Amino acid sequence: GQSLEQPSEVTAVEGAIVQINCTYQTSGFYGLSWYQQHDGGAPTFLSYNGLDGLEETGRFSSFLSRSDSYGYLLLQELQMKDSASYFCAVKAAGNKLTFGGGTRVLVKP
Amino acid sequence: DAMVIQNPRYQVTQFGKPVTLSCSQTLNHNVMYWYQQKSSQAPKLLFHYYDKDFNNEADTPDNFQSRRPNTSFCFLDIRSPGLGDAAMYLCATSRSTSGGRTDTQYFGPGTRLTVL
Repeated sequence: GQSLEQPSEVTAVEGAIVQINCTYQTSGFYGLSWYQQHDGGAPTFLSYNGLDGLEETGRFSSFLSRSDSYGYLLLQELQMKDSASYFCAVKAAGNKLTFGGGTRVLVKP
Repeated sequence: DAMVIQNPRYQVTQFGKPVTLSCSQTLNHNVMYWYQQKSSQAPKLLFHYYDKDFNNEADTPDNFQSRRPNTSFCFLDIRSPGLGDAAMYLCATSRSTSGGRTDTQYFGPGTRLTVL
């Protein structure tokens, strides 16, 4: 089975940088995905790491260390619209995703 | 724009009254997934179809069924909804199940089910 841990909530001000950590225990690991979900909305794909290292997509970056079973999502230059829940998800065989509990990010002016 | 569409966005049903949720996609993806997401929780995979092949998760209750009549459409049937089935139901698609970078799952907006 899979289990993932991420912080439940993070608060930061506009313009700041936030790092959301995700640790996982898994049987069968293909990679780590990150999704953003606004209240009442659909999860939106942000980033995927299949290999160790950093992936950068605009203001968002994601990192993976397979040996440490650890990854993080970095949100830079925070904007009010970034207030949302962020989920890490382990991708396993069959393209199945197991999601972490989600981190609620609150951006303050 | 290619997308994943779910109807209705909000569904109210009565305890024990069968309900069907629908999902359609214009991405021409081979795989369609159904997830259940309860309030403040993570999405949980119920089952998926690869083309016409149905794949049920081991812990999905028998109360939940699915149909995929063609590539574009997939339905979630809840035979006898209980109060504990109130949740957001999310449909997602992917091109295949190889698990590579290109097999990103794309989600629809969800249907919020209320059981009275």
